Amino acid sequence: DAKTTQPNSMESNEEEPVHLPCNHSTISGTDYIHWYRQLPSQGPEYVIHGLTSNVNNRMASLAIAEDRKSSTLILHRATLRDAAVYYCILRDPPRTSYGKLTFGQGTILTVHP
Amino acid sequence: GAVVSQHPSWVICKSGTSVKIECRSLDFQATTMFWYRQFPKQSLMLMATSNEGSKATYEQGVEKDKFLINHASLTLSTLTVTSAHPEDSSFYICSAGRTGSGNTEAFFGQGTRLTVV
Repeated sequence: DAKTTQPNSMESNEEEPVHLPCNHSTISGTDYIHWYRQLPSQGPEYVIHGLTSNVNNRMASLAIAEDRKSSTLILHRATLRDAAVYYCILRDPPRTSYGKLTFGQGTILTVHP
Repeated sequence: GAVVSQHPSWVICKSGTSVKIECRSLDFQATTMFWYRQFPKQSLMLMATSNEGSKATYEQGVEKDKFLINHASLTLSTLTVTSAHPEDSSFYICSAGRTGSGNTEAFFGQGTRLTVV
């Protein structure tokens, strides 16, 4: 699987937007970009995913660079409950079973009141 | 949405005993489930793929005789840590993906914190 690179940690203030970057320069044409997050002492949870176009859902937005070599997860208004480790993961659906993901180190997001 | 449930959430056992962890898909059938292990301040590492009705597939370096996996039904996979030792203390997490058009999301259990004393 293609690798992703994320900053080890980021900080934000409550109610402010947060932009979490991810580099994936070796991404292949069929790789989807997935984001999961893991709250303390819990299993990961799905946040968002995309292929080429920017995506929005109730949790976040995903901005994908035109060359697909990087992407940014956007939390529009951070809350204390958004403090978690955020993982950017590439997955090729035809070759990779659902549920099987390769996790990198992720970004530890700290949200200050 | 789909839910994957693990039991127990935490367990403490004595060294040398065995511990069973259950992973259930509550509202969908999962022919394949996955078991991960996570040590403190580290990322999740895939241990094995649990296949309904057949043998599990283990990742390199994971002892299949120590981590027994059974996937007897389409909604239940179990991981048994046999002859547990303190170095097996970790956070164990299972996942499953619901197959079907348009669904590419993996669902994770809440995790099981194993402490071997």
